[in-house]
Amino acid sequence: NAGVTQTPKFRVLKTGQSMTLLCAQDMNHEYMYWYRQDPGMGLRLIHYSVGEGTTAKGEVPDGYNVSRLKKQNFLLGLESAAPSQTSVYFCASSGQTNQPQHFGDGTRLSIL
Amino acid sequence: EDQVTQSPEALRLQEGESSSLNCSYTVSGLRGLFWYRQDPGKGPEFLFTLYSAGEEKEKERLKATLTKKESFLHITAPKPEDSATYLCAVQGYMDSNYQLIWGAGTKLIIKP
Repeated sequence: NAGVTQTPKFRVLKTGQSMTLLCAQDMNHEYMYWYRQDPGMGLRLIHYSVGEGTTAKGEVPDGYNVSRLKKQNFLLGLESAAPSQTSVYFCASSGQTNQPQHFGDGTRLSIL
Repeated sequence: EDQVTQSPEALRLQEGESSSLNCSYTVSGLRGLFWYRQDPGKGPEFLFTLYSAGEEKEKERLKATLTKKESFLHITAPKPEDSATYLCAVQGYMDSNYQLIWGAGTKLIIKP
C-alpha cells in the first residue's frame, strides 16, 4: 500500500544550492499538490497540477518550480535555496478537487 | 477574507475524558470540510468529509459535525493512541478555482 511516496525524507542544503523533491503516487489520481508546513501555521499550497502536463500556482509559489511530465509523478524544484525555505514539504494527491487528499510522509528540508 | 481557525491550539485530557475540538470558518461557497489526523513525523491522514450543515460522521471514538459557520470533532472516552494533531481544511470557490484552506491544527494529548 504505497499511496504517495516522497523522496528524500531529509535534506540539508546551503543557501544558493538547488535541489528537486520527488513525489510519486500509485492511485491513478489526476490532481497532485505540493504544500509546505511551518510551525503554528496551516498547510500552505505551493503549486498544484490538475493532470499530466499541467501545473498552476498556489498560495506561496515564489522560489519554487514544478513539473508533471508523467501522471504519477510531481516534482518540486528549488533553483536557489534560501533559509526562508526551511520547512517540511508535503505532497498530496486526489481523484477530484472535492475528494480527500492523500499525503506522503514529507521531506524535512533545512537551508543553512 | 476566507479563513479557517481551529481552537484550542492544544488540549490535554485524561484517558476517558471526553471533549470537543472546534474548527470555525469563513469561506465563499463551501464545497466541503475535511478533518485529518497528523502524527509526529508523518503526513496528514484523512478522517472525515462533511458537505452540508447538519451532516455528521462517526469513526470509532470520533464524531464530526458541521454547521454553517463551524465544525466540531467530538472525541468520546479517548485513549492515549488518540494523541495527535487534528487538522481541519475547508474547500471553497475562490479566484475562479476550488481551493483548500487549512487551519493550524489542535494538538491533542491524552494522558493515561
